[in-house]
This record gives sequence, C-alpha cells and structure tokens, in this order.
Amino acid sequence: GIQVEQSPPDLILQEGANSTLRCNFSDSVNNLQWFHQNPWGQLINLFYIPSGTKQNGRLSATTVATERYSLLYISSSQTTDSGVYFCAVDRGAQKLVFGQGTRLTINP
Amino acid sequence: DAGITQSPRYKITETGRQVTLMCHQTWSHSYMFWYRQDLGHGLRLIYYSAAADITDKGEVPDGYVVSRSKTENFPLTLESATRSQTSVYFCASSVRAGVGSDEQFFGPGTRLTVL
Repeated sequence: GIQVEQSPPDLILQEGANSTLRCNFSDSVNNLQWFHQNPWGQLINLFYIPSGTKQNGRLSATTVATERYSLLYISSSQTTDSGVYFCAVDRGAQKLVFGQGTRLTINP
Repeated sequence: DAGITQSPRYKITETGRQVTLMCHQTWSHSYMFWYRQDLGHGLRLIYYSAAADITDKGEVPDGYVVSRSKTENFPLTLESATRSQTSVYFCASSVRAGVGSDEQFFGPGTRLTVL
C-alpha cells in the first residue's frame, strides 16, 4: 500500500517563528489533506490539496503531485498552533492513509 | 449545524463485553468512515460505507462490526472487547468519491478503555 512519511517528527519553536512541515508519499494520489490535531484531540481540517498551492491566513500548503510531496507552511507561529499536524492521502478509494504526524510545540 | 457527532465521548468497559460507538452526521454525506488512533500507529481505517447498506473493510477490521441502515448514522460495534482495542476512535464523513469532492471531516472522537 501507499506509504506516507512526515518530517520532522518533532519541532520546537519560539512564538513568531516560521516553520515548514513536509509530507512525502510513495504513489500517485487523488486526495491529500492536512489536519491539525489540537491538545484536546480534535482533528481540524486545514487544507484539501491534491495539487497546487492554497493559503489560509498564516498557513499555506503546496502539493507537487508529480514529485510526490506536500509542504505545509506556518508563518508567525502562535502558541495556539501547537499540536500534531497530520498529512493523509488516498488513491481514489476514499481510504485515507495517514502519516505519523509532526508534533509542533510553540513556546511563548 | 451540528455536523458530525460521536457518542459516548468516553467509555470504560471490560474484556469480553459488547460495546457500540455511535456516529451521526447532519450533512447527508454519502461516505462515512471509522478510524482508530493509537500511539505509534497514527490513524488507521477500520471500516467505511459508501451509502446506506453498503459497507467495506479498511486496514484493521478484525473484531469490529458496522451497519448503516440510515445515511446519517454509522455505528461501530466491538462484539467482544479486548485490551488491544483500547484506543481513540474517530468517525468521519465525506460528500462522495471523486476529485474535488472527497474531503473528509472528522468527529470529536471517542476514547475507549478496555480493562
């Protein structure tokens, strides 16, 4: 099956810093989503981005489908950005395969 | 707009008991899913359903049973709970398959502990 690898596994930053999270996948995909799991465990949809670039406030994402990777950018980090960020993909069968996540800690 | 809800949010049970986790969505989405989240494994798909009365296995279906008699409900049953089924369970839904319309939305999760 398709493999999804996220890097780095852990990231600790000071408030105000910028960060880039990476998601590599082993095969072509129909769907790619980025999620933020907050400290209360809720999975929040950030981006649905099987290809191209999208921006939402301080967050943006780019997926280069031909090279099988996606990047999530967080600018001017805030403590509320802390949590685990997941990338998930599927090949058209609606079966999302998740990466292991990047744990982001933003210190004040 | 309630979206997608799960109940109970927390459950403690004993080995061998039957447990049913409920999932309800108000969007009339065709597809519904059950995932489990465990340390070291991330989220894994248990079962999914493309429509009422249509269900199929995911990556880790053993020990679980699902049904979908109504579009808005997708209960997950552990027929005889085992300690290895201690996990956080997430329900999700999406409009339908196809590029641009298969974004999945997740419920708040159910934390299940099997003693």
